Amino acid sequence: QKEVEQNSGPLSVPEGAIASLNCTYSDRGSQSFFWYRQYSGKSPELIMFIYSNGDKEDGRFTAQLNKASQYVSLLIRDSQPSDSATYLCAVKDNYGQNFVFGPGTRLSVLP
Amino acid sequence: DAGVIQSPRHEVTEMGQEVTLRCKPISGHNSLFWYRQTMMRGLELLIYFNNNVPIDDSGMPEDRFSAKMPNASFSTLKIQPSEPRDSAVYFCASSLYAGNEQYFGPGTRLTVT
Repeated sequence: QKEVEQNSGPLSVPEGAIASLNCTYSDRGSQSFFWYRQYSGKSPELIMFIYSNGDKEDGRFTAQLNKASQYVSLLIRDSQPSDSATYLCAVKDNYGQNFVFGPGTRLSVLP
Repeated sequence: DAGVIQSPRHEVTEMGQEVTLRCKPISGHNSLFWYRQTMMRGLELLIYFNNNVPIDDSGMPEDRFSAKMPNASFSTLKIQPSEPRDSAVYFCASSLYAGNEQYFGPGTRLTVT
């Protein structure tokens, strides 16, 4: 059973701070990693994807991948109250074609 | 460009009734996924299609659930008979190819009383 784990939170950070969201996965063969944001009552929205070890930056968001440690993270710089949402980590292995989603981390950015 | 379209957005039905959820993927996308989301179990993959062909239905909970994709622009998820434990939000997602990033529809909130 392939597993993706996330701290359910809630993770509370003050406005302007860096929010760090973490995800670990069990399948060492995993190749592709995705972060989704889901506002309450809405559908998941793709934020970023990362395939290679290291960092990938897009605006205020940075995804970090360490395949040796089976760990992927999402950093949100200059956090805003509008970033308050649940963040879902999704992992795809090299053989299957579907994603396995983590349970999500609820982020609360306090003004 | 229109995103993934789902209908209905809300469905309330009585136990034992048949429920049909509908999805139109993004034009040109070759893969379509059906998910169910609940507080207890999170986001679960039910079934996915590649080029209209069902590839993996291992997530379909039981025989009461069935899904079809008669053409590249339309898919249905049917529950017959429905039960209260089927109450959840059902999402449809599509991707250009399986394994690429998926784009979600707005979801159908199903309540079975």
